[in-house]
Amino acid sequence: GAVVSQHPSRVICKSGTSVKIECRSLDFQATTMFWYRQFPKQSLMLMATSNEGSKATYEQGVEKDKFLINHASLTLSTLTVTSAHPEDSSFYICSARTEETQYFGPGTRLLVL
Amino acid sequence: KQEVTQIPAALSVPEGENLVLNCSFTDSAIYNLQWFRQDPGKGLTSLLLIQSSQREQTSGRLNASLDKSSGRSTLYIAASQPGDSATYLCAVAINAGKSTFGDGTTLTVKP
Repeated sequence: GAVVSQHPSRVICKSGTSVKIECRSLDFQATTMFWYRQFPKQSLMLMATSNEGSKATYEQGVEKDKFLINHASLTLSTLTVTSAHPEDSSFYICSARTEETQYFGPGTRLLVL
Repeated sequence: KQEVTQIPAALSVPEGENLVLNCSFTDSAIYNLQWFRQDPGKGLTSLLLIQSSQREQTSGRLNASLDKSSGRSTLYIAASQPGDSATYLCAVAINAGKSTFGDGTTLTVKP
């Protein structure tokens, strides 16, 4: 099956810093990618839809100025958590869409101290 | 808005038992339904994908069924093993893209 990678797999940062997470589709092109967030002991919630060459579409309640999404190529989408705070600590998972379904990355665990 | 519910929230069984996990969804106009496994602190492992036109999928000891009209899917695990212990997530897609996830069922299989 198709492979989606994320980098880094784990990141610890100080409060107030910005963190960039990369999502790559390794063996296929994806015009659309999705970013999900999972808080401890909760399920995954869709944050935004990343469209190649255009602005991302954010779900209700997700701050677009805090979670910057860039989908500059057909194989790469990035999520930047700006001025991260402890409440942003979470597990971030991306997925990339094909015509049939979406394939999920392994996730990035963010801890903000 | 699609809502996905998984019952039970937690399940503990002795090794060797057959078990069923349930997933229900409110909007039957789905594109596909996927079952995932998630180990603590880890990402998602796709187990079975059922397209809208299908009624079931099987992989080894796992069998997933889909009944769109009633808004239900079940994941059947045969001859459970301690290594099956994990959280099982059901995800319903309304198109080939975004999915709505249930809260998961945390399974513990005791040796």
